[in-house]
Amino acid sequence: EDQVTQSPEALRLQEGESSSLNCSYTVSGLRGLFWYRQDPGKGPEFLFTLYSAGEEKEKERLKATLTKKESFLHITAPKPEDSATYLCAVQADKIIFGKGTRLHILP
Amino acid sequence: EAQVTQNPRYLITVTGKKLTVTCSQNMNHEYMSWYRQDPGLGLRQIYYSMNVEVTDKGDVPEGYKVSRKEKRNFPLILESPSPNQTSLYFCASSRQFYSYEQYFGPGTRLTVT
Repeated sequence: EDQVTQSPEALRLQEGESSSLNCSYTVSGLRGLFWYRQDPGKGPEFLFTLYSAGEEKEKERLKATLTKKESFLHITAPKPEDSATYLCAVQADKIIFGKGTRLHILP
Repeated sequence: EAQVTQNPRYLITVTGKKLTVTCSQNMNHEYMSWYRQDPGLGLRQIYYSMNVEVTDKGDVPEGYKVSRKEKRNFPLILESPSPNQTSLYFCASSRQFYSYEQYFGPGTRLTVT
């Protein structure tokens, strides 16, 4: 059965404290892995798409990487405005979302 | 501005009273879908439409209907809402189904009493 698991469920960091969020998946025929950011009460906002193992994408303090079994979203020197829920989605014959990681950056 | 719009944004209704949540996109996207988001359950797909001619069920279609009469609009219909349909609903669109990111609307918070 296709599955997407994100960890940790929640993460609290001090401003400037770098860390990584994990998205592990089991799916046949991966067509893309997507990262989204979601602020409370708002729709998810697209961040990155990764298509094949070894691929990396960067945007400001965020960097996404992909292996055959998992993806990491690395956040470097985070700021309070990076606080949000980060969602991972995997696409094969269907799209499956993980339950997200709630990230809270303390000033 | 490229966007997905949903209306209404907030709705409180009573059990059994038919309602429609509208969704419209201005990006000429082929693929559109509806999700519901509940605490602890994440985003779950209700229905999707690959293009104007193809619409299919997602993971949680019971109690919902959709139609795709034109490319830009994809309304979600609740014929007889029940309290277990109280949720936050999102419409999304993408250029095509495969390999393209989705753009989400602002959400509709529905409460059924």
